[in-house]
Amino acid sequence: DADVTQTPRNRITKTGKRIMLECSQTKGHDRMYWYRQDPGLGLRLIYYSFDVKDINKGEISDGYSVSRQAQAKFSLSLESAIPNQTALYFCATSDSGTHYNEQFFGPGTRLTVL
Amino acid sequence: GQNIDQPTEMTATEGAIVQINCTYQTSGFNGLFWYQQHAGEAPTFLSYNVLDGLEEKGRFSSFLSRSKGYSYLLLKELQMKDSASYLCAVLDSNYQLIWGAGTKLIIKP
Repeated sequence: DADVTQTPRNRITKTGKRIMLECSQTKGHDRMYWYRQDPGLGLRLIYYSFDVKDINKGEISDGYSVSRQAQAKFSLSLESAIPNQTALYFCATSDSGTHYNEQFFGPGTRLTVL
Repeated sequence: GQNIDQPTEMTATEGAIVQINCTYQTSGFNGLFWYQQHAGEAPTFLSYNVLDGLEEKGRFSSFLSRSKGYSYLLLKELQMKDSASYLCAVLDSNYQLIWGAGTKLIIKP
């Protein structure tokens, strides 16, 4: 089955550490997204990419950076992690050629920053 | 600013019907999505509305009124597996999805 995968699934790190979350997809989609989800808040967009050469900031990009290494890979980095970046992180993909442009989500990465 | 409102939590009985409402104020409108999210899992697509009216898909239906900035998700013949959060999201003028905080639906036997 075509899929969206995220690694790691869980990560505990310390304040000030650099951390990378990775996302891969076999759906052949051109668009990829990174979100974070906090209890009581909606999904918030961090960065998105409409193709390999296109990177855009989302609602809450401060403290994060991304890299689109290939159409199938989109990585999120926290250069110097802080405790309020503790959250559930989701990668998502979509196909610009479809009518709905619905987004398909990976299983999520639970990040804890101590 | 952009805003999507939905109730935080609802409780319903197995076999019954429940309606989850969503109101929105966004910069432009290119469609409204409903997603289901079980605890600790990824959101999964349920429905998409871009024109006014009701879209039916099995036990689930979704309604949209663009003039009122309002949508609802109707779940019939509730099953225990329907216990989940239901997320409303609007595609704005920049084709960005703006998400509500979600409605946690608790199903009781």
